[in-house]
Amino acid sequence: DGGITQSPKYLFRKEGQNVTLSCEQNLNHDAMYWYRQDPGQGLRLIYYSQIVNDFQKGDIAEGYSVSREKKESFPLTVTSAQKNPTAFYLCASSMGAGARSDTQYFGPGTRLTVL
Amino acid sequence: AQSVAQPEDQVNVAEGNPLTVKCTYSVSGNPYLFWYVQYPNRGLQFLLKYITGDNLVKGSYGFEAEFNKSQTSFHLKKPSALVSDSALYFCAVRDIDKIIFGKGTRLHILP
Repeated sequence: DGGITQSPKYLFRKEGQNVTLSCEQNLNHDAMYWYRQDPGQGLRLIYYSQIVNDFQKGDIAEGYSVSREKKESFPLTVTSAQKNPTAFYLCASSMGAGARSDTQYFGPGTRLTVL
Repeated sequence: AQSVAQPEDQVNVAEGNPLTVKCTYSVSGNPYLFWYVQYPNRGLQFLLKYITGDNLVKGSYGFEAEFNKSQTSFHLKKPSALVSDSALYFCAVRDIDKIIFGKGTRLHILP
């Protein structure tokens, strides 16, 4: 899991609440990514950021929001608009899109459960 | 658009036997291909990648992958499986500024 930390490891949310998942990296990477993992569906990209103060929607951005105010941090907020948020959330980082062979490195994940 | 396919949801191999986890790709231009492994309730770990050059790529934990351009495949292999190799394996391909992952193959190594 390298120099990428995610917190908390487990998170429980009541319906209608917003929650924020933390992702921090000390690898001096420019790019950061958020994925959602559901059983049998692999990884789906939620949001990604190639540089501070800029980010792009992935394949399933609805009901989520992000910010990238610092290079080291890329928090993900799961809003009440996300109808089925129970999943395993993975954060990743990489040096950046300048090299097409760019490798992503992953954090340990946060398991979110809606009660 | 770039994509990868992992045709097997699950692969069972006896300990000590060689293992293969299959991946095929569809890309425009030169492919940049990756293999990752995920143990239960953990993040993904990078195993190896193909950029250019030798078709046989060696990676972590004794794994290797063979790039085959004519068959558009990038199969993951290991000569002798260990029980500890049991995990979920993902093939992936680079697409401009992000990586596209396959759906994963669960590998069971039977003692």
